[in-house]
Amino acid sequence: DAGVIQSPRHEVTEMGQEVTLRCKPISGHDYLFWYRQTMMRGLELLIYFNNNVPIDDSGMPEDRFSAKMPNASFSTLKIQPSEPRDSAVYFCASSQDRGHLIFTGELFFGEGSRLTVL
Amino acid sequence: AQKVTQAQTEISVVEKEDVTLDCVYETRDTTYYLFWYKQPPSGELVFLIRRNSFDEQNEISGRYSWNFQKSTSSFNFTITASQVVDSAVYFCALSPPSNFGNEKLTFGTGTRLTIIP
Repeated sequence: DAGVIQSPRHEVTEMGQEVTLRCKPISGHDYLFWYRQTMMRGLELLIYFNNNVPIDDSGMPEDRFSAKMPNASFSTLKIQPSEPRDSAVYFCASSQDRGHLIFTGELFFGEGSRLTVL
Repeated sequence: AQKVTQAQTEISVVEKEDVTLDCVYETRDTTYYLFWYKQPPSGELVFLIRRNSFDEQNEISGRYSWNFQKSTSSFNFTITASQVVDSAVYFCALSPPSNFGNEKLTFGTGTRLTIIP
């Protein structure tokens, strides 16, 4: 089976531009997570979905960030407008519940999208 | 609030040596889960183990072993006979009880392990 697929792998953009990161989770997985990794703050959970429904977006830094999951096989994380402090590696991860909404914590991560905002 | 502390930022050992990565956690939950993830140079994090707070038995998987001590709130990870392929950043993580709507992992800051050939 293919793993979690993220695109683009690398993105360099200028401040003020819109950035869209994409994720295809593993087929059959019920959960999808967006994490951000920086040297200063480590790994931060931004938002997660269960069965395409956003459950907790309390980690989204501000209104410039938005995430959608229009169907079970696709999610986007959008930053508009982007700022230099948004530079980070953005990870998408998916997971499968074990029935009765039991979360195992076993996340399958993509290879990340490295974003640089100049 | 939950917190995971990995005090060792970087460790270097010579190949075939044993190495222990420390993890100390804080939580107010009486039940919780602990995890270790590996982040190799390719970038993606790879799940290694999950432990629930009810089970304090140590676990061994090949060259890897984990020591969970609730009394000291620690969940340490030991690699025996280290190999170059073990070079990676290792993250310890903690999650609350897995009730719906509470599926959050809190990660430590990671320990960068370098195995010197």
